[in-house]
Amino acid sequence: GENVEQHPSTLSVQEGDSAVIKCTYSDSASNYFPWYKQELGKRPQLIIDIRSNVGEKKDQRIAVTLNKTAKHFSLHITETQPEDSAVYFCAAPFNQAGTALIFGKGTTLSVSS
Amino acid sequence: DADVTQTPRNRITKTGKRIMLECSQTKGHDRMYWYRQDPGLGLRLIYYSFDVKDINKGEISDGYSVSRQAQAKFSLSLESAIPNQTALYFCATSDPSRDGNEKLFFGSGTQLSVL
Repeated sequence: GENVEQHPSTLSVQEGDSAVIKCTYSDSASNYFPWYKQELGKRPQLIIDIRSNVGEKKDQRIAVTLNKTAKHFSLHITETQPEDSAVYFCAAPFNQAGTALIFGKGTTLSVSS
Repeated sequence: DADVTQTPRNRITKTGKRIMLECSQTKGHDRMYWYRQDPGLGLRLIYYSFDVKDINKGEISDGYSVSRQAQAKFSLSLESAIPNQTALYFCATSDPSRDGNEKLFFGSGTQLSVL
């Protein structure tokens, strides 16, 4: 089955800096890679996703890039703000049967002002 | 707003007890999921269901069972709770055919402590 590795586990940046979180996956047939954000005490929420037929997707200050050959994908946050502080999870399909996802172990991002 | 509701919000139980966590949704979604969250381990898939007659094991189904009583209800049972099942449990739903994507909508979670 699919396996997802996420790095780093913690990341501290100054407000205005960029942050990058990386994930690798094992199943070359996987075709969907979302990122979820979980603020303290809240439920995870989807912030951006990418399918395997594109290499990059942007939404304002966040972007995701995908390298299918190397089987890794990354979340990029530019001009970080204190409200970006949260735990971020990458994910990939559990199997090819449908939409069940398996998640990386998470990255705790701290943005200090 | 349509939502995913989990009950109870918090539960403390003793080793060996049977316990049920419940999830109901008003989103009209077909697909429902149970995850557990442990610090440093992320979210791990326990079971998932794509419709009322469909039940599938996830990454860590041992020690758990589920029941899909209706499209809107998906319950998780621990037949004989043990301390390492202490975790935050999330229910989630999705409906790719309706939403056009595989976005998961999570409930607010149930914090379970097994003493």
